[in-house]
Amino acid sequence: QQQVKQSPQSLIVQKGGISIINCAYENTAFDYFPWYQQFPGKGPALLIAIRPDVSEKKEGRFTISFNKSAKQFSLHIMDSQPGDSATYFCAASGTSGSRLTFGEGTQLTVNP
Amino acid sequence: GAVVSQHPSWVICKSGTSVKIECRSLDFQATTMFWYRQFPKQSLMLMATSNEGSKATYEQGVEKDKFLINHASLTLSTLTVTSAHPEDSSFYICSTPAFPSHQPQHFGDGTRLSIL
Repeated sequence: QQQVKQSPQSLIVQKGGISIINCAYENTAFDYFPWYQQFPGKGPALLIAIRPDVSEKKEGRFTISFNKSAKQFSLHIMDSQPGDSATYFCAASGTSGSRLTFGEGTQLTVNP
Repeated sequence: GAVVSQHPSWVICKSGTSVKIECRSLDFQATTMFWYRQFPKQSLMLMATSNEGSKATYEQGVEKDKFLINHASLTLSTLTVTSAHPEDSSFYICSTPAFPSHQPQHFGDGTRLSIL
């Protein structure tokens, strides 16, 4: 019930392409879904987050799509750049507090 | 600027040594802080939640006597890895809780612990 499943494990995209990472959750009590970006040797940094009352949120080149009925959400990175090469984690938390449950992570490589 | 300061960033020490990692909340007073462990190419696993003025809450399977957590003040939490062994080598990351609820958690830059 507390798991968040993330796919793919790794992703290689050409510069300018679209990167898509998917996550699925089980716990219907989750109501906050952030995405974090992590570079080697650094802590995760918040990229974008969504609440279940909207189906999509866009910030610059980053878009979250959210499907409440399917309990799935995804991150789209438009016009992917080599500087986007990093590990991306989806996460979820519920109304009971701010404890985050993380997905397994996706290692994104954007080739120049 | 950084909201959470974690120190040191990298520690290499001999087996049997105890190592202390500090996590400071820079912008606000945190009554709780989270401690995570991350092995290479794996996700973050919550180890424990430190609570200012009371005992830390440990996740199932985490040895309380091995990983000592002290929340000394509203801006400082420490994790001490006691009698560290090579299997304790990992990346340890702290974070402040979301406040108010469902605002972003802020993470420290992590501490790379290598036990020889």
